[in-house]
Amino acid sequence: KAGVTQTPRYLIKTRGQQVTLSCSPISGHRSVSWYQQTPGQGLQFLFEYFSETQRNKGNFPGRFSGRQFSNSRSEMNVSTLELGDSALYLCASSLARGTAGNEQFFGPGTRLTVL
Amino acid sequence: GQQLNQSPQSMFIQEGEDVSMNCTSSSIFNTWLWYKQEPGEGPVLLIALYKAGELTSNGRLTAQFGITRKDSFLNISASIPSDVGIYFCAGQPTNAGKSTFGDGTTLTVKP
Repeated sequence: KAGVTQTPRYLIKTRGQQVTLSCSPISGHRSVSWYQQTPGQGLQFLFEYFSETQRNKGNFPGRFSGRQFSNSRSEMNVSTLELGDSALYLCASSLARGTAGNEQFFGPGTRLTVL
Repeated sequence: GQQLNQSPQSMFIQEGEDVSMNCTSSSIFNTWLWYKQEPGEGPVLLIALYKAGELTSNGRLTAQFGITRKDSFLNISASIPSDVGIYFCAGQPTNAGKSTFGDGTTLTVKP
């Protein structure tokens, strides 16, 4: 079974631009969550999507948004990029059903650098 | 909001030694997860715990879900160089999709 895939793996943008990151979950997984990882702040929860609906949201500004498609693939968008948005963005998928539904499996991440 | 305190922050050990790290929370969690992250990769799930008091092993790794549901620990026995990485604990309240992560324990194993 293929794991979680994220594209692109690396991205360089300048301040003020916007960016869209993509995540394809494990086949059969219906929940997709996004996290931001920085050396100073660790792993911070951004939001979670389930059945194309945002189910949970972390404490990030409105510049961060996401969506999920009917095939469970998800995208996140960051508008008006700031230097502090430089981070590794991780996507995690889970079954969200049954005992094992809580187990989240991560992709390799997208390394975003804002210049 | 919920916070996890993970300790120690870092460990430098000799190959063959045992390792112990733990996480404590100010809130109750229904699920505890332990992950390992290597450079350039996303976290890889090592062990998932679902019941208070549960003790689960995965090879040389053993993790326990504390009976108060506010803590968990991970032990690694007979460490080897490939155990090097950052180990994260994560707790989930009721919702499957949102995990709160500890700050990680960086493990260095000297051959």
